[in-house]
Amino acid sequence: LAKTTQPISMDSYEGQEVNITCSHNNIATNDYITWYQQFPSQGPRFIIQGYKTKVTNEVASLFIPADRKSSTLSLPRVSLSDTAVYYCLVALTGGFKTIFGAGTRLFVKA
Amino acid sequence: DGGITQSPKYLFRKEGQNVTLSCEQNLNHDAMYWYRQDPGQGLRLIYYSQIVNDFQKGDIAEGYSVSREKKESFPLTVTSAQKNPTAFYLCASSIGRELTYEQYFGPGTRLTVT
Repeated sequence: LAKTTQPISMDSYEGQEVNITCSHNNIATNDYITWYQQFPSQGPRFIIQGYKTKVTNEVASLFIPADRKSSTLSLPRVSLSDTAVYYCLVALTGGFKTIFGAGTRLFVKA
Repeated sequence: DGGITQSPKYLFRKEGQNVTLSCEQNLNHDAMYWYRQDPGQGLRLIYYSQIVNDFQKGDIAEGYSVSREKKESFPLTVTSAQKNPTAFYLCASSIGRELTYEQYFGPGTRLTVT
């Protein structure tokens, strides 16, 4: 099962683009990369998922290089409400176990 | 309004008592999960169920039990055998039976055992 490594915390200012990188050196061929967002005392919420290259939705972009050993979640123009913990995880297709690490605590300042 | 409900939001129990946490979903999802979260930590998988009347242990199943008699419901019992039961408990569901599918989480139950 692939282990992920993320920075423990990051600070940013409103209006800036934030990039959170996740390392997953042992990612397997069939693993997908998924990001979740969690606010205090709430359940995590799905943000984005990808397998390779670039995926974009209405809230974020996910960049995955060719070797897939890392991925970068990009949040454009963050606001105070983006202050949360962001989890990167890999999920094996056909598998049923995953690991939520400690995540990255993003603090957006005015 | 579709979603996952967990009740109660806060629960207090005395040490040595079993306690059952409720989780209901009306999303018609096949798979359901229970996670535990300790302060400043990520989520750890307790049990999961891919289909009614079937469930599997996750990474930290000791001291917990579950049932899946209905598709909509996946209650978790924290038994007196669980050494450190005080935590934030999260229930989730997904349409598919694999973790590549998006998981929808409930609001959580914060259990305090004294």
